[in-house]
Parts: sequence; structure tokens; C-alpha cells
Amino acid sequence: QVQLQESGPGLVKPSETLSLTCAVSDYSISSPYYWGWIRQPPGKGLEWIGSIYHSGSTFYNPSLKSRVTISVDTSKNQFSLRLNSVTAADTAVYYCARTFYGSGSYYFRFDPWGQGTLVTVSS
Amino acid sequence: EIVLTQSPGTLSLSPGERATLSCRASQSVSSIYLAWYQQKPGQAPRLLIYGASSRATGIPDRFSGSGSGTDFTLTISRLEPEDFAVYYCQQYGNSPPKFTFGPGTKVDIK
Repeated sequence: QVQLQESGPGLVKPSETLSLTCAVSDYSISSPYYWGWIRQPPGKGLEWIGSIYHSGSTFYNPSLKSRVTISVDTSKNQFSLRLNSVTAADTAVYYCARTFYGSGSYYFRFDPWGQGTLVTVSS
Repeated sequence: EIVLTQSPGTLSLSPGERATLSCRASQSVSSIYLAWYQQKPGQAPRLLIYGASSRATGIPDRFSGSGSGTDFTLTISRLEPEDFAVYYCQQYGNSPPKFTFGPGTKVDIK
């Protein structure tokens, strides 16, 4: 059963770059699914950030696209998020999730999710 | 760009009662792109329904989804104590290619 685990710094300074990694276990990241990031500011709703295929093909939320890079490392069975020029508005719990999307998936959805990691942007 | 609206914002009910949650889209959404999630405090969201009406693996049959076009509904037939949580709908749209979530409906104990 696929499991996902986020990791990375819990505190990032304003204007710096947020970097997180999602390790996928008990499942190959090279399987025909996308892998994505979703965030949730404290007490607020969910926002999709972007998703990546094992080939490196990506698609991003247009509202974040200029600041986001998602990459994949198939040798380590993990994928990563970089969000640059962060502000306090980027403070959130960041989740990774398998993304059902594209020609390999009929129903588009996120399942399962990692437990999430809180990233606070503060000096 | 498609915007999802969920109503009510909060639903106060007692265990055993029926819960009806609404998700409305600003434009028509393909049913195959509509999903529902449950989130409990301090936990990650969990997929309940995909394709507007298909239950995810392990989801009890008291949860059901329905709807098409711009109006979708999540129904919990008889609320169990563990069902008190926040519920989000999610859709995918092509223009631009993007996943969006509704603002959520909180189901709390009356």
C-alpha cells in the first residue's frame, strides 16, 4: 500500500526558498500516476500547488507557477517542491499526494495523502 | 476558471441524523473530475468519493455522492461519531489545467 512522507525545514525566512521532499514507499514512483503537492494555511482550505509525472512532466497552479518548481528523483523514489520568494502567506501545512490525472487515469483525484508538514515563514 | 462553492458552511447535526452537503460549480464540471474528501482535525484529507458517485476503497456505504453539471451532493445517511469533520469537494478544469477545492463544509455535533 503506497505511503507518502513529507520532510523539510519547518521554518523558512521571508524572501527565501521553501524546499520539501516527499518520499514514496511500498510503491514505485515510476508507476503511471502523477505525484502532487497541496497546501493548507492554518484554519483555511486546500490549494493545489502542482503535480509531476515520473518522466518529469509537470503542471502547476497558474497562481503559483512563477515561483514553483517540482522535480522527481526516481532513483530515490521521491519528488520535491521548491517555492521561492516566500512570504508569510506561504505559511501552511504542505501535503504530498498521488495524483490521478492524465491519460492513465479516468477519474482525477488525490489518493493517498501524506500526513503533512507545517512550514512557517517568519524571520 | 471554475470556482466551487460549498454549502452550508457549517452543519450542526446529531449522531444518527442524515447529512446533505452541497458543492456548486460556477461552470459545468465533468462528473469524472469531481471528488469529495473528509478531513479531521490534525489529519490529512482522506478521499471519500471520486467520479462524483464512486466510493473510495474502505469507505462505508453510508457515504454517497450524486449530481452532475454544476450541482453535486455528498450524503451521509446516518451520522456516526467519527463522521464529524470538514468535507471538501474538488474538481479539475481544463482552462487552464488546474485542480481546485471548495471552501469546505464543517459537520459538527449539535
